[in-house]
Amino acid sequence: KQEVTQIPAALSVPEGENLVLNCSFTDSAIYNLQWFRQDPGKGLTSLLLIQSSQREQTSGRLNASLDKSSGRSTLYIAASQPGDSATYLCAVRGPQGGSEKLVFGKGMKLTVNP
Amino acid sequence: DTEVTQTPKHLVMGMTNKKSLKCEQHMGHRAMYWYKQKAKKPPELMFVYSYEKLSINESVPSRFSPECPNSSLLNLHLHALQPEDSALYLCASSQDTWQGDYEQYFGPGTRLTVT
Repeated sequence: KQEVTQIPAALSVPEGENLVLNCSFTDSAIYNLQWFRQDPGKGLTSLLLIQSSQREQTSGRLNASLDKSSGRSTLYIAASQPGDSATYLCAVRGPQGGSEKLVFGKGMKLTVNP
Repeated sequence: DTEVTQTPKHLVMGMTNKKSLKCEQHMGHRAMYWYKQKAKKPPELMFVYSYEKLSINESVPSRFSPECPNSSLLNLHLHALQPEDSALYLCASSQDTWQGDYEQYFGPGTRLTVT
């Protein structure tokens, strides 16, 4: 059974720091991995999708990498801003239990202090 | 346009009421999903529709009844809910459900409170 872990559960940093958010998964047989952002009481915003054949994806100040063999992904946030404060979730999709399903980590709550 | 819309934004209902949640997307996606999310937890999958047919029911109680009238619209009918069903209900869509780089797009959610 696929399990996704995000450690730490929460992180508080001063503005301007470069951040690395970690995601690990137990079964390397995945189709893709998706990073989401969720503001309190809101829906999920898709940040980046990495296909299983890719090593990384970039969007603005965000860069996500994928190492399938070791079951790890990192989300790098450059020059963090207070507006980056949110919960960040990673999710993988693979053949385990059906290709329709996303298996989510529990999320990491990020607070960027001005 | 990568927008999934959901109505209403908030819903308060009694345990004897019948209500419906609505979800719409105009991206031409053929897969649509309902998730339930409790506070400080990740979303939990409830139902998946693929090409307007129910493909997954994650053993959801029958007081939740999904419906997919067409490829753009997804409803969740609610009847005789319990207070523990209070949660954020999220709708999502993707191009397909088959393996591949299909990204899921989520709506803003409906905050449901059962009194």
